[in-house]
Amino acid sequence: KAGVTQTPRYLIKTRGQQVTLSCSPISGHRSVSWYQQTPGQGLQFLFEYFSETQRNKGNFPGRFSGRQFSNSRSEMNVSTLELGDSALYLCASSLYSLAGGPTDTQYFGPGTRLTVL
Amino acid sequence: KQEVTQIPAALSVPEGENLVLNCSFTDSAIYNLQWFRQDPGKGLTSLLLIQSSQREQTSGRLNASLDKSSGRSTLYIAASQPGDSATYLCAGAPGNNYGQNFVFGPGTRLSVLP
Repeated sequence: KAGVTQTPRYLIKTRGQQVTLSCSPISGHRSVSWYQQTPGQGLQFLFEYFSETQRNKGNFPGRFSGRQFSNSRSEMNVSTLELGDSALYLCASSLYSLAGGPTDTQYFGPGTRLTVL
Repeated sequence: KQEVTQIPAALSVPEGENLVLNCSFTDSAIYNLQWFRQDPGKGLTSLLLIQSSQREQTSGRLNASLDKSSGRSTLYIAASQPGDSATYLCAGAPGNNYGQNFVFGPGTRLSVLP
């Protein structure tokens, strides 16, 4: 079974631009979460989508947004890029069920490394 | 607000040694706790998931325990190998909101020397 895929793997943008990152979860997984990883702040939760609905949101400004499609693929968008947005953006998927259990295990993609100049 | 810390920040051991990595969390109302490893420049690989009703999980040379009352989890690695060198992160899913919004610790950077 294919793992979580993220595209593109690397991006270089300039301040003020916007960017869209894509994540394809493992087949059958309905929950997709996004995280930002920086050397200073570590891994921070951005948001989670489940069945096309945003279920949880982290403490990030409104410039960060996302969506999920009916096939569970997800995109996140960052508008008006700032230098501080340079980071590794990680996507994770899980099978998830309200009953909990091993289906909660999160599987991460390789990440998209965004550099803002 | 859930906060997760990990001790030590870095650890260097000779091959073959058994070791313990520590993770502490502030909110005992944790839904589940997951241990990951991350290799340089790569994504995260899930190692073990402990549900709130469990006390430990084992996979091969790895054993993770969870003590909600004390807000602690430990990852035990037996007979360490150079291939175990990586950063190990623990993450807790908070409370009962059934979300997958894990709160991560800063990680422990492990080096296993041949």
